[in-house]
Amino acid sequence: EPEVTQTPSHQVTQMGQEVILRCVPISNHLYFYWYRQILGQKVEFLVSFYNNEISEKSEIFDDQFSVERPDGSNFTLKIRSTKLEDSAMYFCASSETMNTEAFFGQGTRLTVV
Amino acid sequence: GENVEQHPSTLSVQEGDSAVIKCTYSDSASNYFPWYKQELGKGPQLIIDIRSNVGEKKDQRIAVTLNKTAKHFSLHITETQPEDSAVYFCAARALGGSTLGRLYFGRGTQLTVWP
Repeated sequence: EPEVTQTPSHQVTQMGQEVILRCVPISNHLYFYWYRQILGQKVEFLVSFYNNEISEKSEIFDDQFSVERPDGSNFTLKIRSTKLEDSAMYFCASSETMNTEAFFGQGTRLTVV
Repeated sequence: GENVEQHPSTLSVQEGDSAVIKCTYSDSASNYFPWYKQELGKGPQLIIDIRSNVGEKKDQRIAVTLNKTAKHFSLHITETQPEDSAVYFCAARALGGSTLGRLYFGRGTQLTVWP
């Protein structure tokens, strides 16, 4: 069964460092998303991406964040200068169309120290 | 924006009993309500969804009900089994609106089924 895969599963980084979280969406999907879940809080939407551009972003997704689809298979989330409060589980998701179900990856746990 | 509330945060049941998880939403534009199951070390997996033109949907031991007037929707699991133990999330979305595919999640319910 096709699945969304994320790497790494766990990343520890020092405050102020840049991190790149990687995702391989399901191959025929056209819509891509990043969500995050801070421990004990709700899963929160960060950004959606379609046709090589951002479709929508939340208030969380400030200038420190960027997304890219560098090739035909990967979808990345970059955090330029990490803060302690960026520590969270980050989920990538993809969907075939705007109106079909989203499939989630297993997540990357980011710990900023 | 949309606000989804989910209750209870934890739920323990005996194997074979039923489990019910309830969610409310605030935005009447929401018209799609998926439920996700998250097992340890895995991402959320869709288990059932319902659209606002339907009041109830069933898939084997799992059912979801929707009350649009009251802005409630619920997940019902019958004849629970230990492998049903996981965190369950409800979510809401306005399909076809300006928010392209954005899901709003509840806080999650940790369901534990005791043998």
